[in-house]
Amino acid sequence: AQSVTQPDIHITVSEGASLELRCNYSYGATPYLFWYVQSPGQGLQLLLKYFSGDTLVQGIKGFEAEFKRSQSSFNLRKPSVHWSDAAEYFCAVGPTGANNLFFGTGTRLTVIP
Amino acid sequence: DAGVIQSPRHEVTEMGQEVTLRCKPISGHNSLFWYRQTMMRGLELLIYFNNNVPIDDSGMPEDRFSAKMPNASFSTLKIQPSEPRDSAVYFCASREEAWGNQPQHFGDGTRLSIL
Repeated sequence: AQSVTQPDIHITVSEGASLELRCNYSYGATPYLFWYVQSPGQGLQLLLKYFSGDTLVQGIKGFEAEFKRSQSSFNLRKPSVHWSDAAEYFCAVGPTGANNLFFGTGTRLTVIP
Repeated sequence: DAGVIQSPRHEVTEMGQEVTLRCKPISGHNSLFWYRQTMMRGLELLIYFNNNVPIDDSGMPEDRFSAKMPNASFSTLKIQPSEPRDSAVYFCASREEAWGNQPQHFGDGTRLSIL
């Protein structure tokens, strides 16, 4: 069965520091991979997606993610965090040939001055 | 372009009442999804439609929940009768293609409180 693991429930970083949010998935083949961000009171906004090709993908708001097949990981990174990045981040997996997504439990990011 | 539109944004009602949540997907999108988000269970897929046809409703918690999509621009999620444990944020999402690698686009959700 497909599963998505985000091992960090809550991360706190200082503004300007680098950020890495972890995501691991369990699936027999390479799925479609997504990162979404959710600000309080809002829906999920797509940050970036990976389907194939270059394993380092760029997204909006200065985020990037790297797909590592050997580790079944798709970690999200940002070199310098801004206070406005405080939100909840969700990794999602879409099995190829399927229509639905499987979401991780989310990582809440707090940014301190 | 308008995104996915959900209404109402907030709903507070008493246990036993009927609740209807509404969703207008992005124009031209062929797939529509209903999710429920709670602190305990995270984001759960309830049901999804392709071309207005329900494909998988295995996530619908019980018979009190029902969803319809009478046309390509409108869907409803109904709870009857409602219970306090139904309190959650309900999201609707749409996607351009029924299959493939297009992402889902989410609405801002309906925050439902059952007293």
